[in-house]
Amino acid sequence: EVQLLESGGDLVQPGGSLTVSCAASGFTFNMYAMIWVRQAPGKGLEWVSAISGGGGSTFYADSVKGRFTISRDNSKNTLSLQMTSLRADDTALYYCAKGSSGHTTVPDDPWGQGTLVTVSS
Amino acid sequence: DIQMTQSPYSLSASVGDRVTITCRASQGIRNDLAWYQQKSGKAPKRLIYAASNLLNGVPSRFSGSGSGTEFTLTISSLQPEDFATYYCLQHYSHSPTFGQGTKVEIK
Repeated sequence: EVQLLESGGDLVQPGGSLTVSCAASGFTFNMYAMIWVRQAPGKGLEWVSAISGGGGSTFYADSVKGRFTISRDNSKNTLSLQMTSLRADDTALYYCAKGSSGHTTVPDDPWGQGTLVTVSS
Repeated sequence: DIQMTQSPYSLSASVGDRVTITCRASQGIRNDLAWYQQKSGKAPKRLIYAASNLLNGVPSRFSGSGSGTEFTLTISSLQPEDFATYYCLQHYSHSPTFGQGTKVEIK
């Protein structure tokens, strides 16, 4: 059974940094792209970032480019999102999702349960 | 960025009604479009890929159509478990974008 478990969400001050992670199990991790999607409280979904199965290709939304870095450790089946220069509008529930192939930006099912990042002073 | 304009923002419908949701892209995206369903407090679930292909296990009352810039998701006979928010996602560009969502509520 595919399982994704996000962690690392926290309250952080504007301008601060935070890394959220996603532990994956139940599938051959290095064969699938991984994607981050976020959802601000009471708002819609926003695609954030994706990384290919081997880690060689990364993609970002314009809203986070230059501030966020996606990475993966295929030896530990772990996906990470390093976030810097955080702003209030980065406040959201951050979901990780598995792609349907090694090179895709499209979230497949299942998704994790999300980890909450709150940016506030 | 490719903008996805979804309509309506919300709708009220009764069990058994036919429901249609539209997504318009700011430029042509071929059929690089997926539809997701999100129930309250839950993670989204993908229903349709490549604009018109149902994923395994998705009831046949759901259907998708369109290509280029205009796409529709249709629920032929709304069931109680279909009350949720629906999102389109374009993945033609390397920076995919979701529509704003359509909340389907009980009339």
